[in-house]
Amino acid sequence: AQKVTQAQTEISVVEKEDVTLDCVYETRDTTYYLFWYKQPPSGELVFLIRRNSFDEQNEISGRYSWNFQKSTSSFNFTITASQVVDSAVYFCALSQTGANNLFFGTGTRLTVIP
Amino acid sequence: SQTIHQWPATLVQPVGSPLSLECTVEGTSNPNLYWYRQAAGRGLQLLFYSVGIGQISSEVPQNLSASRPQDRQFILSSKKLLLSDSGFYLCAWSPGLAGVGELFFGEGSRLTVL
Repeated sequence: AQKVTQAQTEISVVEKEDVTLDCVYETRDTTYYLFWYKQPPSGELVFLIRRNSFDEQNEISGRYSWNFQKSTSSFNFTITASQVVDSAVYFCALSQTGANNLFFGTGTRLTVIP
Repeated sequence: SQTIHQWPATLVQPVGSPLSLECTVEGTSNPNLYWYRQAAGRGLQLLFYSVGIGQISSEVPQNLSASRPQDRQFILSSKKLLLSDSGFYLCAWSPGLAGVGELFFGEGSRLTVL
């Protein structure tokens, strides 16, 4: 069975602080994909990253970075020097290769205080 | 460029009334289409997906139904709404299997059943 756990329901940080959003997943599949989406107050989900289970290299994109560790089944997301515009709900998701469903976590609401 | 729109953005319906949410995609052909529901604190749940006209797969048994009358049109319906149908409904599309590529989401429709 597929499962994604985002234990942090809400996080508040002061602007310019770094923040890490945790994501732990469960799957019996050997190949799978992991995703992060951002949901700003407008409601629309915005794709941030997709990671193949074969690729454990960490990735950095501007102030965003992702740490994928198969040994701990985690795919954590770090925002460096947070900004008010980063305030949103962030979802981690998992899918089987070739499947038509993404299993989403319950999301982490990030509030960046100016 | 591809765009996805869904409407209405907000609606309030009494229990037992019918429902129709519509979603259209532009700028692409043969997209895979999805309806997700986001309940408070429960992440996103896949309701239906479609890989072609008239082809609908249901992931969760409920009193909702979906139809795809045209290649880029996806409709979510109900004959009689229940209180438990309240939530935020998101339409999404992908160029291929969701497990391989990213999903592109619409703006969402917030349904309140009273």
